[in-house]
Amino acid sequence: QKEVEQNSGPLSVPEGAIASLNCTYSDRGSQSFFWYRQYSGKSPELIMFIYSNGDKEDGRFTAQLNKASQYVSLLIRDSQPSDSATYLCAVNDSSYKLIFGSGTRLLVRP
Amino acid sequence: EAGVAQSPRYKIIEKRQSVAFWCNPISGHATLYWYQQILGQGPKLLIQFQNNGVVDDSQLPKDRFSAERLKGVDSTLKIQPAKLEDSAVYLCASSPRGGATDTQYFGPGTRLTVL
Repeated sequence: QKEVEQNSGPLSVPEGAIASLNCTYSDRGSQSFFWYRQYSGKSPELIMFIYSNGDKEDGRFTAQLNKASQYVSLLIRDSQPSDSATYLCAVNDSSYKLIFGSGTRLLVRP
Repeated sequence: EAGVAQSPRYKIIEKRQSVAFWCNPISGHATLYWYQQILGQGPKLLIQFQNNGVVDDSQLPKDRFSAERLKGVDSTLKIQPAKLEDSAVYLCASSPRGGATDTQYFGPGTRLTVL
């Protein structure tokens, strides 16, 4: 059973702080990794994707991938209350199926 | 560019009834996905179509769920008969090609409540 694990949270951070969200996956053949944001009652929307080991930055967001450790993370700098949502880690496994974690709920306190 | 369209947005039925959901993907997207998202969980893939062919339906409960994508464009997902545990949001997504690096774009979802 291929799995994607995330801490359910909630992760509570003050406004302006860095939020760090983590995800581990079980399938070593996984090729691509995605972070989706899901507001309550809404559908997931893509924030970032990463394919190669290392860091990838896009505005306030940085995705980090370590394939040897089977670990992917998302950093959100200068967190805003509008960032409060559930963040879903998704992994495209060796059969090209997207496996989602259960999500981490992020709360940004004003 | 129009996004993924789904209807209805909400549906309430009693157990043992049947229900159908409709999805229209982003124009030109070859791959269409149906996911089930139970409250507090991540989306779970039910079925994936490439054009009008099924790529993966390994997690589709085939005794009660069926899906089709006629003409390789829009799709319907049917549940017959529904069970209480089918209460969930049913998300449709599409992507251009369906490859490992493809981004999936989600529709607004249909929230199903089975009483």
